Amino acid sequence: LQLQESGPGLVKPSETLSLTCTVSGGSIISRNYYWAWIRQPPGEGLEWIGSVFYSGSTYYTPSLNSRLTISVDTSKNQFALRLNSVTAADTAIYYCARETVATTNWFDPWGHGTLVTVSS
Amino acid sequence: QSVLTQPPSASGTPGQRVTISCSGSSSNIGSNTVNWYQQLPGTAPRVLIYNNNQRPSGVPDRFSGSKSGTSASLAISGLQSEDEADFYCAAWDDSVNGHVFGTGTKVTVL
Repeated sequence: LQLQESGPGLVKPSETLSLTCTVSGGSIISRNYYWAWIRQPPGEGLEWIGSVFYSGSTYYTPSLNSRLTISVDTSKNQFALRLNSVTAADTAIYYCARETVATTNWFDPWGHGTLVTVSS
Repeated sequence: QSVLTQPPSASGTPGQRVTISCSGSSSNIGSNTVNWYQQLPGTAPRVLIYNNNQRPSGVPDRFSGSKSGTSASLAISGLQSEDEADFYCAAWDDSVNGHVFGTGTKVTVL
């Protein structure tokens, strides 16, 4: 299974960050997995953003909930991230990952990641 | 900000045993299982340990995890040069209502 992020590498402040994750080598339709977005500011640690089930059910980190939409397109085997009203604090490497359902879900595999810079 | 605390760095010589701690609270480690991730330089993280102490296939058995109360630990026995990486613990937090990661520990092989 492989995941690949795609989308603009530069977004202006106050605009919307949009990324897509394409899943290959397996179906996004599975009861055993969610599909997640995780980010990492340059030189910093990891932050879970949110996750989506193949049915479209989502759950988000509370700190981003008001600006965030994660959706799934099963016909394309893709899921997507939209983050509104971005600021410089949203500059990060954005990873997509498969999330295995368990007592504490875990993330594996991950995409290579894509750097998104918020700047005018 | 991370709610799981790790030491910023750890080091050892080849062959030594290195242990990384992860300190949390009753709302995360105290009531949920812990996962560990390894991030080699310039690459995406990969899961190293899940459900406190389970290793996915392909992860060497010199990596082991444990949990006690509100803390967890990752041990690397027989340290090798290719183990130089950043390591992160993670758990579900019932108060935050989300996944939380540790602050991360950089392991250096001397």
